[in-house]
Amino acid sequence: DGGITQSPKYLFRKEGQNVTLSCEQNLNHDAMYWYRQDPGQGLRLIYYSQIVNDFQKGDIAEGYSVSREKKESFPLTVTSAQKNPTAFYLCASSRSRDTYEQYFGPGTRLTVT
Amino acid sequence: AQSVAQPEDQVNVAEGNPLTVKCTYSVSGNPYLFWYVQYPNRGLQFLLKYITGDNLVKGSYGFEAEFNKSQTSFHLKKPSALVSDSALYFCAVRSDNYGQNFVFGPGTRLSVLP
Repeated sequence: DGGITQSPKYLFRKEGQNVTLSCEQNLNHDAMYWYRQDPGQGLRLIYYSQIVNDFQKGDIAEGYSVSREKKESFPLTVTSAQKNPTAFYLCASSRSRDTYEQYFGPGTRLTVT
Repeated sequence: AQSVAQPEDQVNVAEGNPLTVKCTYSVSGNPYLFWYVQYPNRGLQFLLKYITGDNLVKGSYGFEAEFNKSQTSFHLKKPSALVSDSALYFCAVRSDNYGQNFVFGPGTRLSVLP
């Protein structure tokens, strides 16, 4: 099956710890994205990558970091500097940065206490 | 700046009745417009898009949307609602200007009552 996988589905961490969320796609898409979803706020863009070894900050990049060492993988690290990390995180991909619709993974719900 | 508004947090409709989920937008340049649906604890699924051409676009699961440039709207419609259509719906826009990102609306929760 082609698609985007995110793991784990649920993640619990203590405050002050860094945590890495996985995102893998086998759609051969060049562009990948990370969004954060909070109730009533829609999706907000954290980071995006148009090509391997390149990525750009989105609207709310502070406290997050990413890497894009392989075309199919775009992991997101939520650092201890992120002030309010508890949220639902969605990874997406598209054929290219200028191609139209995005395909989303099932999401990871992160809870930090 | 780009923005999307979905004026209704919640829409309730009886099964078999037509449904409308509203979306208005603001972009510089020409808009690319999208609708996505999200079921509980899941990612978003693409429903339909308007890029150019016919103002009425048809998408998955019997949904359609009409692009209205003068009213800057892109309302989602379905002639006959199903209980299984109950979900969270997101409108998204992107300008055709180079370098712009997608902007998503806050979402509208649709409840179809049997």
